[in-house]
Amino acid sequence: QVQLQESGPGLVKPSQTLSLTCTVSGGSISSGGYYWSWIRQHPGEGLEWIGYIHNSGSTSYNPSLKSRVIISLDTSKSQFSLKLSSVTAADTAVYYCAAYYYASGSYWFDPWGQGTLVTVSS
Amino acid sequence: DIQMTQSPSSLSASVGDRVTITCRASQSISSYLNWYQQEPGKAPKLLIYAASSLQSGVPSRFSGSGSGTDFTLTISSLQPEDFATYYCQQSFSTPFTFGPGTKVDIK
Repeated sequence: QVQLQESGPGLVKPSQTLSLTCTVSGGSISSGGYYWSWIRQHPGEGLEWIGYIHNSGSTSYNPSLKSRVIISLDTSKSQFSLKLSSVTAADTAVYYCAAYYYASGSYWFDPWGQGTLVTVSS
Repeated sequence: DIQMTQSPSSLSASVGDRVTITCRASQSISSYLNWYQQEPGKAPKLLIYAASSLQSGVPSRFSGSGSGTDFTLTISSLQPEDFATYYCQQSFSTPFTFGPGTKVDIK
């Protein structure tokens, strides 16, 4: 059973870079069926997909954030990471890592990490 | 981007009630539609994938239907642990998008 756990600073200053890591356990991060993803949720609001990375190295990002986002993979540590640059208060959110899984012609997000709140403030 | 809408945005119901939530996509997404449940302070949990397939471990009182642009999530008999917010999500094309959510609370 794959499990995900986010880690990283809970407070980031405006204009700096937000950096989070997701550790994958209970399964191989190199499994071909998974696209390792980041999703965020602004306080009291809905869910926004940020992007994903496949173990082939291919990535896909939400165009709304693409200019500021990098998602990378470290298979030796079973981790994938999110970097979001030039943050503002609008980037304050709970950040989730999730596995975007492909099977039988369909895709879905499962499982999810517990989420980590990142606040952008000076 | 494919826009997802949900109705109602919130509803009040009693234990044992049958509850139906609707999700609509701005263009046809075939059956690439998933449903998630989110309890306060917790991560979303997958309930239904591919519009109508029940995720393993999810109670059979949850069901999904639809294709194209119109989808429904039905809870046949609402239980106390079902009071939560429900989101639909399209996996037809990037950027993947979610509906705004439907909050189900106690009447």
